[in-house]
Amino acid sequence: QVQLQESGPGLVKPSETLSLTCSVSGDSINNYHWSWIRQPPGKELEWIGYFYDSGSTTYNPSLQSRVIMSLDTSENQISLKVKSVVAADTAVYYCARVGYSYGRAHFDHWGQGILVTVSS
Amino acid sequence: EIVLTQSPGTLSLSPGERATLSCRPSHNLMSNYMAWYQQKPGQAPRLLIFGPSTRATGIPDRFSASGSGTDFTLTISRLEPEDSAVYYCQQYGNTPLFSFGPGTTVEI
Repeated sequence: QVQLQESGPGLVKPSETLSLTCSVSGDSINNYHWSWIRQPPGKELEWIGYFYDSGSTTYNPSLQSRVIMSLDTSENQISLKVKSVVAADTAVYYCARVGYSYGRAHFDHWGQGILVTVSS
Repeated sequence: EIVLTQSPGTLSLSPGERATLSCRPSHNLMSNYMAWYQQKPGQAPRLLIFGPSTRATGIPDRFSASGSGTDFTLTISRLEPEDSAVYYCQQYGNTPLFSFGPGTTVEI
């Protein structure tokens, strides 16, 4: 059974870069596609980006100027960087595995999430 | 841009009753595909149903889904206390590539 675990600093200062890692166990990250999703406290889910097909990425247009996702296949990890953070970037950040059916996609496994607060 | 609207915002029901949750895309998805998730406080979302009506592993048959185009429904028959949660719908393939609805809170 695949398991995902997010890690990284819980507090980031405004204008700095938020960096998170998702460690995957139970399967190789090369076998699947991956996403990051976030959820501000008490609010709805927001998709951040999608990593697929050996290095291709698609980001939410609302965030794409500030976001970079990458894979570290040697460590079986997926990473997320969000540049120039502001208070509105405060959220629980989830990594998730992408599943497919009928030519469409959903998220079939999720990490437990990590709360990142942007504050000075 | 596709916006998903979920209704009602909150649903208060009793054990054994049926819950009907709606998800309406702002544009026709030209598909009968929708994914539904359950999220309990302090937990990550859990996939319930994807596609027209395929339940994820371990999801009881009390959960079902239907719909297409601009009108999708998640039905929970015979509500149990552990079904108290927020339920989200999610679309794929439009702009943005993935998006979620704002959620429906089910209180039992």
